[in-house]
Amino acid sequence: GAVVSQHPSWVICKSGTSVKIECRSLDFQATTMFWYRQFPKQSLMLMATSNEGSKATYEQGVEKDKFLINHASLTLSTLTVTSAHPEDSSFYICSAPPPGGLANTEAFFGQGTRLTVV
Amino acid sequence: AQSVAQPEDQVNVAEGNPLTVKCTYSVSGNPYLFWYVQYPNRGLQFLLKYITGDNLVKGSYGFEAEFNKSQTSFHLKKPSALVSDSALYFCAVRDIRSNYQLIWGAGTKLIIKP
Repeated sequence: GAVVSQHPSWVICKSGTSVKIECRSLDFQATTMFWYRQFPKQSLMLMATSNEGSKATYEQGVEKDKFLINHASLTLSTLTVTSAHPEDSSFYICSAPPPGGLANTEAFFGQGTRLTVV
Repeated sequence: AQSVAQPEDQVNVAEGNPLTVKCTYSVSGNPYLFWYVQYPNRGLQFLLKYITGDNLVKGSYGFEAEFNKSQTSFHLKKPSALVSDSALYFCAVRDIRSNYQLIWGAGTKLIIKP
């Protein structure tokens, strides 16, 4: 079945540096990817929707310049956390709609990335 | 406004006993409801969904959920809990703005004790 692969699964970086998280759709094309963020003991919050060939759509309150999203191809979307700070430490998860855009099936999720900024 | 509520932060069940994880929702129109499970430091795994049809939905790992329209609930159940079922469970409803964006409950930590 369709799989979404997210990399890296965990990363530790120094404050002020940038971190790139990749989300790939394996064996299917994803024109749309959703990026979620999860704080400890809290639910997932949608950050943005990336669209292949166009600009990402950000949710209210999400800083576009801090969380750069690039949907470079039909199988790859990236989230770059720029000038990371400890408060950016979180669990980030991507998801993609199922191939074919069938209305009655669920999205596929990546494995998630645990980001720790020290 | 659409919303999902999971009233319990944590549920403790003895191994072998039945388990229930509660979820209620508020949506306009017909709801598309989902349950996902998350193991520590891992992504989300789909368990089951309700779109239409039978109110009792069967899913992965022996889980099932019952859609109750009058009570606007979609509780997750399993007849006999396993220690390996211990994880974080999320209920979600499809966002009407998009076919695949989900609105999530806060999550319920399920602890199964031997």
